[in-house]
Amino acid sequence: EAQVTQNPRYLITVTGKKLTVTCSQNMNHEYMSWYRQDPGLGLRQIYYSMNVEVTDKGDVPEGYKVSRKEKRNFPLILESPSPNQTSLYFCASSPWSSGANVLTFGAGSRLTVL
Amino acid sequence: ELKVEQNPLFLSMQEGKNYTIYCNYSTTSDRLYWYRQDPGKSLESLFVLLSNGAVKQEGRLMASLDTKARLSTLHITAAVHDLSATYFCAVNYGGSQGNLIFGKGTKLSVKP
Repeated sequence: EAQVTQNPRYLITVTGKKLTVTCSQNMNHEYMSWYRQDPGLGLRQIYYSMNVEVTDKGDVPEGYKVSRKEKRNFPLILESPSPNQTSLYFCASSPWSSGANVLTFGAGSRLTVL
Repeated sequence: ELKVEQNPLFLSMQEGKNYTIYCNYSTTSDRLYWYRQDPGKSLESLFVLLSNGAVKQEGRLMASLDTKARLSTLHITAAVHDLSATYFCAVNYGGSQGNLIFGKGTKLSVKP
């Protein structure tokens, strides 16, 4: 089944404790992206990647890191989480080309930072 | 900077009624997307609109795009409870090397 898989789905952590949210897709998509969703703010992009070793900042990159060493994986790293990073996070991928490039979203990861 | 605005942000409808959600964007774009998010779930693609005048329909939902006005509409016909969800529009910018900016979403509630 074609899908984007995120882990963990739920996580409660404490301020300053480094964590990684993994994202993997099995569709050979070039483009991958991370979004956070907060009430009243919609989806805001954190980082995106057009292909392996190519990443760029989105609208709200502060406090986050990413890497794209393999085409299928795009982990989101919070080096020192803070309470304002409590949010619902979505990873998404698409076959970025001249076509429609519809995003396929993961199920989401709900993160709480105490 | 591309801005995407949806109106309304909240919409309470009665079953059987018609309504339209609007998506305005601030700069030129060649693609517009509509996504649906059910409560507690992820986002699913509804429509992709690729050219001026494009119209797509599925069931009780119809989306259209006017690139000159920088406006897309999502029209709901004879709403039913199953359409209750949050609807997002998203706009591409920068061509094939570009990116997507999402609107804040319209939370639709259809009541009997």
